[in-house]
Amino acid sequence: DVKVTQSSRYLVKRTGEKVFLECVQDMDHENMFWYRQDPGLGLRLIYFSYDVKMKEKGDIPEGYSVSREKKERFSLILESASTNQTSMYLCASSLDGQPSYNEQFFGPGTRLTVL
Amino acid sequence: AQKITQTQPGMFVQEKEAVTLDCTYDTSDPSYGLFWYKQPSSGEMIFLIYQGSYDQQNATEGRYSLNFQKARKSANLVISASQLGDSAMYFCASLLSGGYNKLIFGAGTRLAVHP
Repeated sequence: DVKVTQSSRYLVKRTGEKVFLECVQDMDHENMFWYRQDPGLGLRLIYFSYDVKMKEKGDIPEGYSVSREKKERFSLILESASTNQTSMYLCASSLDGQPSYNEQFFGPGTRLTVL
Repeated sequence: AQKITQTQPGMFVQEKEAVTLDCTYDTSDPSYGLFWYKQPSSGEMIFLIYQGSYDQQNATEGRYSLNFQKARKSANLVISASQLGDSAMYFCASLLSGGYNKLIFGAGTRLAVHP
């Protein structure tokens, strides 16, 4: 079974703190993704990575950065947390290449509250 | 820009009946793919079904089927014989152009199955 794990299910941080959200997958997937989920907006892509040390911005990268030093691990960093970053954060991974599509496998999510 | 629209914020259905969740997409790509994911209250995203734009037949997976109407750009999810465990958020998503299996999601539909 593909497994994607996230370091915390719930996290409470203060405004201005640096926050690290960790994601690990155990299926040797090339692609990894970070989304945030807000009511009425669905999931929005923050960043994704298609290889170690390779990353690209998604739709809403402002206020976030990422790190992928090892293939199985993809970290999301909030350099200075703000209240508008209170959200559910979901990590996902997928194979690349053939067949023409590969489903994304998701972690359980981290509900982050910034006070 | 690609867009996914789910017009039903909430739906309810009686147990054992069928329900259709709407999804329309907007893409100019000649080749594309559409996914449906289920998100129970526990938070994890569960892949349900996939439809490729060149697939000749509508996709089916157990009690899930896709009513794919290319001319209308719709990919509605049909759940037959609803069960109480089907109560969840349902998201429609489309593959984004540019590779790497990136997805764009709709806002979601919350389905409640009543006994």
